[in-house]
Amino acid sequence: DAGVIQSPRHEVTEMGQEVTLRCKPISGHNSLFWYRQTMMRGLELLIYFNNNVPIDDSGMPEDRFSAKMPNASFSTLKIQPSEPRDSAVYFCASSFPAIGYNEQFFGPGTRLTVL
Amino acid sequence: AQTVTQSQPEMSVQEAETVTLSCTYDTSENNYYLFWYKQPPSRQMILVIRQEAYKQQNATENRFSVNFQKAAKSFSLKISDSQLGDTAMYFCAFMKRSGNTPLVFGKGTRLSVIA
Repeated sequence: DAGVIQSPRHEVTEMGQEVTLRCKPISGHNSLFWYRQTMMRGLELLIYFNNNVPIDDSGMPEDRFSAKMPNASFSTLKIQPSEPRDSAVYFCASSFPAIGYNEQFFGPGTRLTVL
Repeated sequence: AQTVTQSQPEMSVQEAETVTLSCTYDTSENNYYLFWYKQPPSRQMILVIRQEAYKQQNATENRFSVNFQKAAKSFSLKISDSQLGDTAMYFCAFMKRSGNTPLVFGKGTRLSVIA
């Protein structure tokens, strides 16, 4: 299994530009999570989906952020317009539907730098 | 809401020695899981060990073990026979035991193993 795939691995952009981060969960997993890691705030949940439906987006910082999951094998996180304070590592994780414990498998992350 | 606190931003240990990382949490939930994740410089999130709150027995995984004190809401990680490869950020995390729910992370402890 290839694991959770994220692209790009690194992104450098200028303030005001649109940024799209992509995630392909592990096949058969029905939950997908987007986390953001910064020095100041650590790892925080942005949004998560169950069966392609957004369940909790209370962690999305503001309207500049949006996330979609059009099908079970693909999700995007879009920032428009981007700002320097959005610079962070963005992780995608997925988990398998099971009774009780569901381990979350993390992708390698996307390091975003907004100049 | 759940919170996870790691009070040691940085720690160091000599190779082959034992080190304990601290974690406390706050929750009104009775059924939950606790985790320790390792994040090496590659930034990949690696699950080290998991504890079910309903189990009194402390979890162990080779050189890694936890001290879970449910009443005190404390969950420390002990690393025995420390190795250079243990150098990483370590995150304590909480997850409700109710389907696919997000992880709540502490701010992390940077561990350096010194030769």
